[in-house]
Amino acid sequence: TQLLEQSPQFLSIQEGENLTVYCNSSSVFSSLQWYRQEPGEGPVLLVTVVTGGEVKKLKRLTFQFGDARKDSSLHITAAQPGDTGLYLCAGHLKENTPLVFGKGTRLSVIA
Amino acid sequence: DAMVIQNPRYQVTQFGKPVTLSCSQTLNHNVMYWYQQKSSQAPKLLFHYYDKDFNNEADTPDNFQSRRPNTSFCFLDIRSPGLGDAAMYLCATSQKGGGKETQYFGPGTRLLVL
Repeated sequence: TQLLEQSPQFLSIQEGENLTVYCNSSSVFSSLQWYRQEPGEGPVLLVTVVTGGEVKKLKRLTFQFGDARKDSSLHITAAQPGDTGLYLCAGHLKENTPLVFGKGTRLSVIA
Repeated sequence: DAMVIQNPRYQVTQFGKPVTLSCSQTLNHNVMYWYQQKSSQAPKLLFHYYDKDFNNEADTPDNFQSRRPNTSFCFLDIRSPGLGDAAMYLCATSQKGGGKETQYFGPGTRLLVL
């Protein structure tokens, strides 16, 4: 059973388009993190969200944590080829428990 | 400034030949993790150290061992690598205590088993 479901699994878009990636669960998470991973590299932390309803912005990226802390979304505005990579959501079900990962969304932005 | 360092970045070994991967950190975090990641999959936790306390995941094969001689260093030993152990191995660190700890990953070591 996958605790964190990410969708879509694959996404290929043109430069300049907007997109949203979803991370959903039936479980409540105490915190949730988004990472971006490029081929041959480790995941790089983008953001951590901890409060239900929280919205964080990182340049063209907007992250939202659901009110019930069961889901999260990542919205990218005006995607660029440099946004290409594997986007992973991961969360802690409780404090001091191992991180649970989604399977990731592989994004390809074509110039 | 490198915070989680993994060496080597690429490792080639032979079937059955023991191999050790290393990880070091400059963050002084009390937790260090080892993950295995296969192509197009999410990282899978193998084990972690909380200070000197070792925590093994239930489905981690006995073939995988770890050592943490001090706060800064952690090693992954694969005693008899099989072809199925070829993967990216990721080290991560976090500071446990005080709430929502964030994990920071190293660049990974890609292991090839011939």
